[in-house]
Amino acid sequence: EDQVTQSPEALRLQEGESSSLNCSYTVSGLRGLFWYRQDPGKGPEFLFTLYSAGEEKEKERLKATLTKKESFLHITAPKPEDSATYLCAVQAGGYQKVTFGTGTKLQVIP
Amino acid sequence: DADVTQTPRNRITKTGKRIMLECSQTKGHDRMYWYRQDPGLGLRLIYYSFDVKDINKGEISDGYSVSRQAQAKFSLSLESAIPNQTALYFCATSDYNEQFFGPGTRLTVL
Repeated sequence: EDQVTQSPEALRLQEGESSSLNCSYTVSGLRGLFWYRQDPGKGPEFLFTLYSAGEEKEKERLKATLTKKESFLHITAPKPEDSATYLCAVQAGGYQKVTFGTGTKLQVIP
Repeated sequence: DADVTQTPRNRITKTGKRIMLECSQTKGHDRMYWYRQDPGLGLRLIYYSFDVKDINKGEISDGYSVSRQAQAKFSLSLESAIPNQTALYFCATSDYNEQFFGPGTRLTVL
């Protein structure tokens, strides 16, 4: 069974204090790993897709990396508007089922 | 206009009532999904559809049914609602990889 574990559950940062969120996964035949951002009361918003170990993607203050067992979402010099829950998900096997982690709730304090 | 829309956005109903949640998309994707989100449990897949004639159960399909009326429309029904179906429900679409989510329906079953 595919499993996705995100840590920490919650993270509180001062504005400008860089940090990383972790997504550990167990999957048979990874097809893709996804990062989403979710604001309260809204649907998840797609950020990145990573397909193979060693791959990196960047968007503004966010950088996602992938190894064979985990992915990191690095947040550089975060701002209060980066506060949200960040979800990790994996897609595996021969069909399109996606397994989500429970998320990391990030709060950035001015 | 939003690519994925859901109606209603909020609904309060009573135990035993039948309720339908609707989803429409303008992205032209064949694949559509219904998820529910509960605090601490993350997103869990209820049903998914790869095209109009292909509908599949997800991990928590008991108590739910779906209808794919067209490529752009996918409805979720609760035939006889119960209180533990109180949750935030999301519809999503995808081509082959990342999913795009609607704004969600907050359902409360009293």
